[in-house]
Amino acid sequence: AQKITQTQPGMFVQEKEAVTLDCTYDTSDPSYGLFWYKQPSSGEMIFLIYQGSYDQQNATEGRYSLNFQKARKSANLVISASQLGDSAMYFCAMRERTGFQKLVFGTGTRLLVSP
Amino acid sequence: DTEVTQTPKHLVMGMTNKKSLKCEQHMGHRAMYWYKQKAKKPPELMFVYSYEKLSINESVPSRFSPECPNSSLLNLHLHALQPEDSALYLCASSQDHGSGANVLTFGAGSRLTVL
Repeated sequence: AQKITQTQPGMFVQEKEAVTLDCTYDTSDPSYGLFWYKQPSSGEMIFLIYQGSYDQQNATEGRYSLNFQKARKSANLVISASQLGDSAMYFCAMRERTGFQKLVFGTGTRLLVSP
Repeated sequence: DTEVTQTPKHLVMGMTNKKSLKCEQHMGHRAMYWYKQKAKKPPELMFVYSYEKLSINESVPSRFSPECPNSSLLNLHLHALQPEDSALYLCASSQDHGSGANVLTFGAGSRLTVL
């Protein structure tokens, strides 16, 4: 069974600084996908970035990058140049190839960006 | 603007009421999902529809009844709910294949309170 772990309940960062949100996972399926979603207080889940298990390079999307360390089974999200609007809950999620319709989420990290 | 529209945004109902949550998407996605999210918890999968057929039911109590009238619409019928069913109900859609990112696009959610 797949498992996602986010060990940081909350993180604080100053505006314009970079921040890393941790995510580790466990799966026996060699083919899987890792996702990060942002959830503002409004409730909507916003897709940020995706990394496939066979991707050779770390994924990047604008200010978001994913530090993928396959041997360590970690998929940390790096947000560069934090903005006040980045304050939200951040969820790491995984989907295995064999159960590709099931996207399972970690417990989340609440990020607060201060001026 | 979200491409998955959920109505109503807020719903308050008594334990004897019958109500429905509605979800609509026009992205041509063939998979649609219901997730339940309790306060300060990650979303948990309830149901998945693939090509208008129920493909996953995560042992959800029968007081929740999903329906997929067509590929663009997904309903969740609610009957005889309990106060502990109060939560944010998130609808999502995606392409239905196991390759690549197959990103789930979420709606803004329907916040349900059961009195």
